[in-house]
Amino acid sequence: AQKVTQAQTEISVVEKEDVTLDCVYETRDTTYYLFWYKQPPSGELVFLIRRNSFDEQNEISGRYSWNFQKSTSSFNFTITASQVVDSAVYFCALSEALLDDKIIFGKGTRLHILP
Amino acid sequence: KAGVTQTPRYLIKTRGQQVTLSCSPISGHRSVSWYQQTPGQGLQFLFEYFSETQRNKGNFPGRFSGRQFSNSRSEMNVSTLELGDSALYLCASSLGGYSGNTIYFGEGSWLTVV
Repeated sequence: AQKVTQAQTEISVVEKEDVTLDCVYETRDTTYYLFWYKQPPSGELVFLIRRNSFDEQNEISGRYSWNFQKSTSSFNFTITASQVVDSAVYFCALSEALLDDKIIFGKGTRLHILP
Repeated sequence: KAGVTQTPRYLIKTRGQQVTLSCSPISGHRSVSWYQQTPGQGLQFLFEYFSETQRNKGNFPGRFSGRQFSNSRSEMNVSTLELGDSALYLCASSLGGYSGNTIYFGEGSWLTVV
């Protein structure tokens, strides 16, 4: 069965600090897709990144970076030099190699960036 | 390019009533899916439509239903509302037709049942 675990329910850091959000997933499929979404107070889920199970390259996009490790079934997300605008709930999610768009979400990590 | 649009954004209903939520996907997207978000259960998949056909359904009672029109717009309906149906309902769209789509979400409809 698929499952996504975000062990950190809430994190607070001071602005400009780096912060890493952890994500561990479970799936029996060999082909799957992992996502990170950001949810500000307005409610909209903002797409951040999608990775497929064949591509373990780490990725950096501005202040964001992602560390995908199949050996540990982890897909962690790091924000470098955090800013107050980064405050939000962050969701890690999993989609298996089916033709439909069913996504399994983790419970989310609420991130507070303190000025 | 317009994003996923959901209406209404906020609504209050009385227990026992029914509600219809609407979703307009990103232009060109043929897949629309719906999710319910509550503080206790988190984000849960309701159902997904592609080319007017329901392709997958989550573990929700039959009071929750949906449909998709030929222009890919979608509606979901909840009948005989219960207090526990109070939630943020999120619609998402993607191109569909292949696995691993990038899925984009709307701002959601906040439903309060009193």
